[in-house]
Amino acid sequence: GAGVSQSPSNKVTEKGKDVELRCDPISGHTALYWYRQSLGQGLEFLIYFQGNSAPDKSGLPSDRFSAERTGGSVSTLTIQRTQQEDSAVYLCASSSLAGANVLTFGAGSRLTVL
Amino acid sequence: EDQVTQSPEALRLQEGESSSLNCSYTVSGLRGLFWYRQDPGKGPEFLFTLYSAGEEKEKERLKATLTKKESFLHITAPKPEDSATYLCAVQASYSSASKIIFGSGTRLSIRP
Repeated sequence: GAGVSQSPSNKVTEKGKDVELRCDPISGHTALYWYRQSLGQGLEFLIYFQGNSAPDKSGLPSDRFSAERTGGSVSTLTIQRTQQEDSAVYLCASSSLAGANVLTFGAGSRLTVL
Repeated sequence: EDQVTQSPEALRLQEGESSSLNCSYTVSGLRGLFWYRQDPGKGPEFLFTLYSAGEEKEKERLKATLTKKESFLHITAPKPEDSATYLCAVQASYSSASKIIFGSGTRLSIRP
């Protein structure tokens, strides 16, 4: 596609439920990043993919968070047993190179945990 | 530990009043420093990449500069449409994982 597409754009869930957030990167971009942005805050690094592998998972906040990428394209971020502190905007970005590279971001998925 | 600190947190200017935003960084070998603009409800949008101390980049009313410890985003004669949050990010050269770390941003507001 022309840009990075994220879905859903908004998700409201109850505490304890699992959620899946999807990212469809720009075609041909090999690098994919997930970030979390809490209200009024900067971007918190979660995970990075190069192709289908994730060399850096250091930013995942807990074992309730996981992510996968298939076919070098679509990525899914899964949060199990959601907590209120998981409420944030989850941003996905993709890039064509693993070097000093420019990220193209999606519009984000806003997650609200009640 | 790699770190990015931006100041001020918020800045309110009158239209036409020039100023600068600061980004201080600590990283073991810099592969690149990036500036992004973020409008409310949207993802960040790329502005500049700087690679080495002394480098400068310009785009319309914005100019980014880089030293060994910090970067500045200079805004000359700003207009209300320049109001946004400006984010600074760094990528370390040692990291094969290409992790990109962002600062918390500066919220810029330009009054007509």
